[in-house]
Amino acid sequence: EVQLLESGGGLVQPGGSLRLSCTASGFMFSSYAMSWVRQAPGKGLEWVSAMSGNGGRTDYADSVKGRFTISRDNSKNTLYLQMNSLRGDDTAVYYCATKIRGVTGILDAIDMWGQGTVVTVSS
Amino acid sequence: DIQMTQSPSTLSASVGDRVTITCRASQSISRWLAWYQQKPGKAPKLLIYKASSLDSGVPSRFSGSGSGTEFTLSISSLQPDDFATYYCQQYNSYSRTFGQGTKVEIK
Repeated sequence: EVQLLESGGGLVQPGGSLRLSCTASGFMFSSYAMSWVRQAPGKGLEWVSAMSGNGGRTDYADSVKGRFTISRDNSKNTLYLQMNSLRGDDTAVYYCATKIRGVTGILDAIDMWGQGTVVTVSS
Repeated sequence: DIQMTQSPSTLSASVGDRVTITCRASQSISRWLAWYQQKPGKAPKLLIYKASSLDSGVPSRFSGSGSGTEFTLSISSLQPDDFATYYCQQYNSYSRTFGQGTKVEIK
């Protein structure tokens, strides 16, 4: 079964750090660009970051640039998001996501999502 | 950054109605636009990609059109399962911006 499973969310104080993980199964992980998308409580979707299949290209939303780092370990079929200097407005459900059907690229729609992991930044 | 503006923010409709949601981009994105459906507590689901291509398994009552800066998502005959929030997203530029969402409610 094709699946994305996020973990690592939790409660962290402002200024703190957290690392999210996303473990993929059921497809050739290294062949696909991966993204993180978040959704603050009661708000809309916000794309956060993306990485190409071989890790050679990374993109970040302006709101997280310099604070968040996306990475991947293709030998472990795992995507990461290292989040530093966390702020209250980083509180959200964080989704791991990708496009696996048809021709795909790093700039693409998203047809597969994880279930999300909740990050709460609060003192 | 490219801004995406959806209208309306909320739409009240009845089962069987035809509904249309508009998404406008602040600059041309060619046809690099996707539409998603999201229900409470669930991850979004891709409906349309490249402005008008229906994703696998999506009912044919959904359709997308447009290019450049103006796009529409139409549902030809609203079904009970269609009451949800809909988002557009551009993927022409690195910022991959989403619209603010349109909630389709039961009238």
